[in-house]
Amino acid sequence: AQSVAQPEDQVNVAEGNPLTVKCTYSVSGNPYLFWYVQYPNRGLQFLLKYITGDNLVKGSYGFEAEFNKSQTSFHLKKPSALVSDSALYFCAVSSNTGNQFYFGTGTSLTVIP
Amino acid sequence: NAGVTQTPKFQVLKTGQSMTLQCAQDMNHEYMSWYRQDPGMGLRLIHYSVGAGITDQGEVPNGYNVSRSTTEDFPLRLLSAAPSQTSVYFCASSYFGQGLYTGELFFGEGSRLTVL
Repeated sequence: AQSVAQPEDQVNVAEGNPLTVKCTYSVSGNPYLFWYVQYPNRGLQFLLKYITGDNLVKGSYGFEAEFNKSQTSFHLKKPSALVSDSALYFCAVSSNTGNQFYFGTGTSLTVIP
Repeated sequence: NAGVTQTPKFQVLKTGQSMTLQCAQDMNHEYMSWYRQDPGMGLRLIHYSVGAGITDQGEVPNGYNVSRSTTEDFPLRLLSAAPSQTSVYFCASSYFGQGLYTGELFFGEGSRLTVL
C-alpha cells in the first residue's frame, strides 16, 4: 500500500532562512510524489511533483524538492523563506494506476518576520 | 476560468438528515474525487471517478454515495448524516488517461459541514 509520512506537525523558520519540510514515503513500484500547499480557508494548490527523471524537482514560488530513493524521502525546500510562505503543506503519493492519492497529515509552516 | 466549484461552502445538518454536496469542473477533466479533511488526519479519499458512469471507493467511503452522469459534475451524497461526518470536504479533479496523466489535482475551495 502507498503511504506518506510527515514527521513534523509544525515547522518554524525565520524570514530569509532556508526552510525544509520533511516527507518520507512507502510505495510498491515507482513512486509518483507531490507537494501541495493550503492557505487558510482555501483548497489545496499544487506546488511540484516527481514522476521520473532528475531527482531535484523545481516548482512554484521558488520551492524545490529532492527525491531520495535510498532514504525514501521527498523533502520540500526553499533557499530563503518569506512570511507569505506560512501555510499548511501536504506531501502526497499516488497509486501506480494513478487512481488514488494518499496525503500526509500536513506540516504547518510559520515564517517569523 | 472557474476551475472546480463546490457548493455549498457551509452547511449545518441534524443527525439523520440527508444532503448533497455539489462539485463541478469546467476543465474537461476525466478524473474527479472527494476528500474529507480532519485535524491531524490530513486528507482522506472518499470516492473517485475516472470518467462518466465510472465510480469507485476510496479509503473512507462508508456513509457516502456518488454518481458521475456527466464529465463536469460529481456530487457527493450523505444519506443519513452522523456527527462523525462533521468535516471539511474537498472536491478535486485531474487530467487522466494515456498521454494526459499529469497527476496534478485541482481542488475546490471546500465545503464545511457540521452535523449536530
